[in-house]
Amino acid sequence: DSGVTQTPKHLITATGQRVTLRCSPRSGDLSVYWYQQSLDQGLQFLIQYYNGEERAKGNILERFSAQQFPDLHSELNLSSLELGDSALYFCASSVDPGDYEQYFGPGTRLTVT
Amino acid sequence: GQNIDQPTEMTATEGAIVQINCTYQTSGFNGLFWYQQHAGEAPTFLSYNVLDGLEEKGRFSSFLSRSKGYSYLLLKELQMKDSASYLCAVREKQAGTALIFGKGTTLSVSS
Repeated sequence: DSGVTQTPKHLITATGQRVTLRCSPRSGDLSVYWYQQSLDQGLQFLIQYYNGEERAKGNILERFSAQQFPDLHSELNLSSLELGDSALYFCASSVDPGDYEQYFGPGTRLTVT
Repeated sequence: GQNIDQPTEMTATEGAIVQINCTYQTSGFNGLFWYQQHAGEAPTFLSYNVLDGLEEKGRFSSFLSRSKGYSYLLLKELQMKDSASYLCAVREKQAGTALIFGKGTTLSVSS
């Protein structure tokens, strides 16, 4: 158990819908990262937050957005869902941006039908 | 941009040694990482290299050559539980501290 929690564990929804994935980092970690893992693309970095501020952006679609709240939990919002958005979404956290080890949560499996 | 290559699949037997190679092309290199991921589970950290050379941690070792854009993960005394996907990832200075992952190498260990 990494200490990072993600909810829900599984999510099934229809195309065109909007969902919110939630992540709570390890106690004391200020940095949160979101990754998407699909069979064909592997594990891809989406976005990073540090202490409430956006720190870095990766391959995140405009239909996706995220935020980190004052209590440091983070939410990833996915809208206008398409079949291709079906994937495992992982959240990871680290103490600060210089910390080399990122701790991954168990992931949320999103299925878009 | 970045490009990370590693073999898609490898097989080995219990007790053997296996080496998983990773080559990368990136600007602003700021560290190379290896993660282990069992099917359907979260990746777990194995090793980190930022300087050239070998880092050893129990049965696992990782090597880095920055001039060659090359790393390998060495697993000794293989056990059945080592059957997993092994992900090579790099960190670039301009990308902050996010990790850019290769597609992973699926290792199957048989008895």
